[in-house]
Amino acid sequence: EAGVTQFPSHSVIEKGQTVTLRCDPISGHDNLYWYRRVMGKEIKFLLHFVKESKQDESGMPNNRFLAERTGGTYSTLKVQPAELEDSGVYFCASSQAGGTGATGELFFGEGSRLTVL
Amino acid sequence: GNSVTQMEGPVTLSEEAFLTINCTYTATGYPSLFWYVQYPGEGLQLLLKATKADDKGSNKGFEATYRKETTSFHLEKGSVQVSDSAVYFCALKKDNTGKLIFGQGTTLQVKP
Repeated sequence: EAGVTQFPSHSVIEKGQTVTLRCDPISGHDNLYWYRRVMGKEIKFLLHFVKESKQDESGMPNNRFLAERTGGTYSTLKVQPAELEDSGVYFCASSQAGGTGATGELFFGEGSRLTVL
Repeated sequence: GNSVTQMEGPVTLSEEAFLTINCTYTATGYPSLFWYVQYPGEGLQLLLKATKADDKGSNKGFEATYRKETTSFHLEKGSVQVSDSAVYFCALKKDNTGKLIFGQGTTLQVKP
């Protein structure tokens, strides 16, 4: 069974440009999460989808970030316009249930590295 | 607020050395605690977890004990291997969602 896949693996853009990151969760996982690790610091929660609905977007840094999950399958995270401080690694994770117990474990993708010049 | 603090890395050890990576947390109530690992070129993987005080999580020779009195969840391994070289993240979770609070990560390099 395929794991969580993310692309691109690395994107280099200039300040002011737009980038769209994509995440394909494990098939059948209703829960999808976005996290971000900036400059070797802690990994921070961005938002949580349950199917196509945003359950919690309290971690989204500002309105330059837009996450979507149309149809409740894959998700995209768009940054427009990108700023220097947006550089980092963006992780996606999915789970079957609420994240607790044997069936709720989060499965993470490899991350998409974003470099804004 | 809730937070996790890990010892700063990088940690460099020789093969078969004893490993400790310190992790302390701040949280109200009774969070669940986790260690995740990211091997080079791979995604984050759950290494072990503990859901209540005095629980010991273990996997692949790694262990961590949930110590509520010291609010700690230190990761230990008796004899590290080169293949253990990775970035290790301590994390906590307060509710039934997948919203994790991570520490800053500790890079471990094991030399032969």
